[in-house]
Amino acid sequence: DIQMTQSPSTLSASVGDSVTITCRASQSISSWLAWYQQKPGKAPNLLLYGASVLQDGVPSRFSGGGSGTEFTLTINSLQPDDSATYYCQHYNSYPFTFGLGTKLEI
Amino acid sequence: QVQLQESGPGLVKPSETLSLTCTVSGDSISSHYWSWIRQAPGKGLEWTGHILYTGSTDYNPSLKGRVSIALNTSKNQFSLKLSSVTAADTAVYYCARARAHSSGYEYWGQGTLVTVSS
Repeated sequence: DIQMTQSPSTLSASVGDSVTITCRASQSISSWLAWYQQKPGKAPNLLLYGASVLQDGVPSRFSGGGSGTEFTLTINSLQPDDSATYYCQHYNSYPFTFGLGTKLEI
Repeated sequence: QVQLQESGPGLVKPSETLSLTCTVSGDSISSHYWSWIRQAPGKGLEWTGHILYTGSTDYNPSLKGRVSIALNTSKNQFSLKLSSVTAADTAVYYCARARAHSSGYEYWGQGTLVTVSS
């Protein structure tokens, strides 16, 4: 299985800041990566796929980059509503796997 | 708009079979990828498997052949069966849709908690 390692595991920032979350794959996954935001008691919400393609309806403050084994999720101009746990997920091969998550506190 | 809704027992006894159904509205299950993803309490997300509209399936090997996913096109539903459950299978189970293999899961159900306990 491909292991997905996210860092940091927790992150604290202020309104208006920018933050970057990193996701590393244990082997190359090309650009077969998605990012999700999950709030307590809710289902995950797709933010980006293909490593950098913004899902419809997601604010442009969210951006993604990377390919191969290293990927980033950047959130600009943080808003209070961005408090959540963020997960990366690969879909390069089966089984698809998720990172353990990064909890962002605003 | 596309909506997914999980249903099924919230309590299953150890060694029995967990059975869940996902009812889809606003879309036809005769296209796209349909998946089950679970999340143990306080833990991360685990992909259990998916089924393509053709009926082709892929499963997580970690479930050691205990899992099966099927379509019911007449009811626009798909289902999950997980046999020989243990406490480790206690989780919130989400059904989800991917428009294509490379698009991520853009629609999710609200999730249903299944507890394995005698």
